[in-house]
Amino acid sequence: DTGVSQDPRHKITKRGQNVTFRCDPISEHNRLYWYRQTLGQGPEFLTYFQNEAQLEKSRLLSDRFSAERPKGSFSTLEIQRTEQGDSAMYLCASRSVGTPPGRYGYTFGSGTRLTVV
Amino acid sequence: AQTVTQSQPEMSVQEAETVTLSCTYDTSESDYYLFWYKQPPSRQMILVIRQEAYKQQNATENRFSVNFQKAAKSFSLKISDSQLGDAAMYFCAFWTGNMLTFGGGTRLMVKP
Repeated sequence: DTGVSQDPRHKITKRGQNVTFRCDPISEHNRLYWYRQTLGQGPEFLTYFQNEAQLEKSRLLSDRFSAERPKGSFSTLEIQRTEQGDSAMYLCASRSVGTPPGRYGYTFGSGTRLTVV
Repeated sequence: AQTVTQSQPEMSVQEAETVTLSCTYDTSESDYYLFWYKQPPSRQMILVIRQEAYKQQNATENRFSVNFQKAAKSFSLKISDSQLGDAAMYFCAFWTGNMLTFGGGTRLMVKP
């Protein structure tokens, strides 16, 4: 078990381009979460999956954002037509819904830092 | 909706001393969980300590302990014998069983 992996660690893109991030959760975790963290702020919830089903989306997730978890394993987060306001760190976390709520918190990845220029 | 407030953007402590980070939250739920996370410059969020709201006893993990005041909706973190490696952003987080709601964070600086 190597923890939650995110790729890439850094991404610089020009405004208007599309970007895609990947998250590989801990293999036995069936829930996967995406958060966005702007500089100097706490993470904000974007969306989460249970297996391959996307169960909830935040209002922060505009129609330019789409997330998938096609086989219930890794997940991708795509941002279309990026804007400067999308510059942030995108964090992925996973947990197993079978564990007692709260006992193990979440396991976070190291994040992907997006800079839109 | 739940909100989490950390009123101290920055705190400073001398190495080996004790520091307390504050957190308040607002919720109408009665069953929930509270966490403190540490985020060093390496960026990965690391769970420091957790508290179940139904437990009256304050959680303790080595040098880290909390003061949980349910009626006041307060959840402070005390770090004893501060070490240089404790320097990081600290986030208080609230959980009712699904997504975490985070506070804005407190940057802790440790002076040698």
